Amino acid sequence: NAGVTQTPKFQVLKTGQSMTLQCAQDMNHEYMSWYRQDPGMGLRLIHYSVGAGITDQGEVPNGYNVSRSTTEDFPLRLLSAAPSQTSVYFCASSYSWASREQYFGPGTRLTVT
Amino acid sequence: DAKTTQPTSMDCAEGRAANLPCNHSTISGNEYVYWYRQIHSQGPQYIIHGLKNNETNEMASLIITEDRKSSTLILPHATLRDTAVYYCIDKSYGQNFVFGPGTRLSVLP
Repeated sequence: NAGVTQTPKFQVLKTGQSMTLQCAQDMNHEYMSWYRQDPGMGLRLIHYSVGAGITDQGEVPNGYNVSRSTTEDFPLRLLSAAPSQTSVYFCASSYSWASREQYFGPGTRLTVT
Repeated sequence: DAKTTQPTSMDCAEGRAANLPCNHSTISGNEYVYWYRQIHSQGPQYIIHGLKNNETNEMASLIITEDRKSSTLILPHATLRDTAVYYCIDKSYGQNFVFGPGTRLSVLP
């Protein structure tokens, strides 16, 4: 199993550009989520999904969209990038929302200039 | 915001036990205690969890006080590879994980 994969690893955007961060898992996990991590801080939940076709907002959803058309994929869309969205983005998955263990991807480091 | 409080940083000598404390002042009866760690810039990694009883696995031991208001993660023989940020979280089934700033553990040679 590849586990949780994220692409790209690094990305530089100009203010106002849009892009999609990709996240995929091959463990047949129902629950998937996106976090952002700013320097010296913990992870903050952006959006999550408890199954295909179901998504919900986390703590910091503004400026981001998600969809979950398949169990495997959970892309995160930045609609109009802003410097405040410069961060490291982590995708995670678990068997279900109640699972004790989340598996995290390697992260995407995004810089918005 | 995170519901737990942890020291910002700690040092530990290589080969010694690392004891990382966590306060769970608002924990409720159906909430479990979880510990994760994040090595350098990687994604966080699950370590251990418990409800009331002390727990041990191949990575660490978890001690939870009787009133459940505090917990301690114990790495019995810390190595340089254990240098990381450690997060304690309390949550119930169906809640999302909330990661605070954690404790930065430095294992010194």
